Amino acid sequence: KNQVEQSPQSLIILEGKNCTLQCNYTVSPFSNLRWYKQDTGRGPVSLTIMTFSENTKSNGRYTATLDADTKQSSLHITASQLSDSASYICVGTLKSPQLLHEKLTFGTGTRLTIIP
Amino acid sequence: NAGVMQNPRHLVRRRGQEARLRCSPMKGHSHVYWYRQLPEEGLKFMVYLQKENIIDESGMPKERFSAEFPKEGPSILRIQQVVRGDSAAYFCASSLRVAGASYEQYFGPGTRLTVT
Repeated sequence: KNQVEQSPQSLIILEGKNCTLQCNYTVSPFSNLRWYKQDTGRGPVSLTIMTFSENTKSNGRYTATLDADTKQSSLHITASQLSDSASYICVGTLKSPQLLHEKLTFGTGTRLTIIP
Repeated sequence: NAGVMQNPRHLVRRRGQEARLRCSPMKGHSHVYWYRQLPEEGLKFMVYLQKENIIDESGMPKERFSAEFPKEGPSILRIQQVVRGDSAAYFCASSLRVAGASYEQYFGPGTRLTVT
């Protein structure tokens, strides 16, 4: 069964601190791994997309890693800001010749709160 | 370039009524996806459409739910005879397909459906 599990469920850190969010995925056949940021009441916004051949990708203060062997990914946030308060969602993408599109499997997200 | 637009943002329906959710993709995008997010759960794929065609509706309930993406106008997700369990946030995403690439999906702000 395709699934994505994230930890922790929620996290509270002080402004300026770093944090790392974890993701384990079981998605087959695997195409890529995505991280999204979702503010309360808004739609998800893409942070990174990594294929199995990439093991790290950065987007500003966000750095994602991917270990395709252990099927684990992490999202590291550096020098957190109040605006980083949001849910961060890990998404495994599967693709096969039978599928006419890439199919996204979403985790339930990590709720991150940055306090001043 | 306006992003993905969804309306209404909030919709309240009584049990047994019909709900119609609209999605206008980004300019130039001809691929639309609908997702449902139940409280405390991750987004779940419902249906993937191209202009005038349903490509994959494997995530959509067999009864009461239908989707269309006409040649002109927005994509519509229709829920007939709504029940309390239909209460959720419904997100639309659009993409510009590029053959051989992992393509980005851009999400709208969602429609929050409440069934009373």
